[in-house]
Amino acid sequence: KNEVEQSPQNLTAQEGEFITINCSYSVGISALHWLQQHPGGGIVSLFMLSSGKKKHGRLIATINIQEKHSSLHITASHPRDSAVYICAVRRGDTGNQFYFGTGTSLTVIP
Amino acid sequence: DAGVTQSPTHLIKTRGQQVTLRCSPKSGHDTVSWYQQALGQGPQFIFQYYEEEERQRGNFPDRFSGHQFPNYSSELNVNALLLGDSALYLCASSLGFPGGFGYTFGSGTRLTVV
Repeated sequence: KNEVEQSPQNLTAQEGEFITINCSYSVGISALHWLQQHPGGGIVSLFMLSSGKKKHGRLIATINIQEKHSSLHITASHPRDSAVYICAVRRGDTGNQFYFGTGTSLTVIP
Repeated sequence: DAGVTQSPTHLIKTRGQQVTLRCSPKSGHDTVSWYQQALGQGPQFIFQYYEEEERQRGNFPDRFSGHQFPNYSSELNVNALLLGDSALYLCASSLGFPGGFGYTFGSGTRLTVV
């Protein structure tokens, strides 16, 4: 069983829709990261969370430490949001090694 | 300010050969981690270097080895390549160990083994 589980695996949305991607983890963590990976491979870090909620533009990330769950929300989705979104956790007991989810492939249709 | 730079971007090798991938960390970062991402999968941790030493290692065979240089850049070496080694290899840099700040990922090297 993976330490990090994401859902859904694939998501297609119409432009303007509100999107939610979920991440559950089974280990103690020091931080959780939401990453965006575009075709070609480059990864951009969107958020790093250890508690609560963060917002950047149309992106919102929340984490519930007790429930070991995080969500990434995209408001007013746009075709340029099409990418793979990856949840990654840094375990508290193993230095700064990341454990990654398998990613959610998002396609936003105009 | 350049972020993490990886080279080459693409590489094709024959089964049984050896390959070296390179990573230059973001300016000011001193820790380099390497990840293997198979098609359709999330990245898997290979190992991490700090102060020119391997500090942590994931579940990868000894065919995977690395090095960190005094300027903090790093190499990943894979010997006796297998078809299953075909993947995107990602490098991430950060500041400090353990803990680490400012994680930054490179764009990766796509290795194809034929």
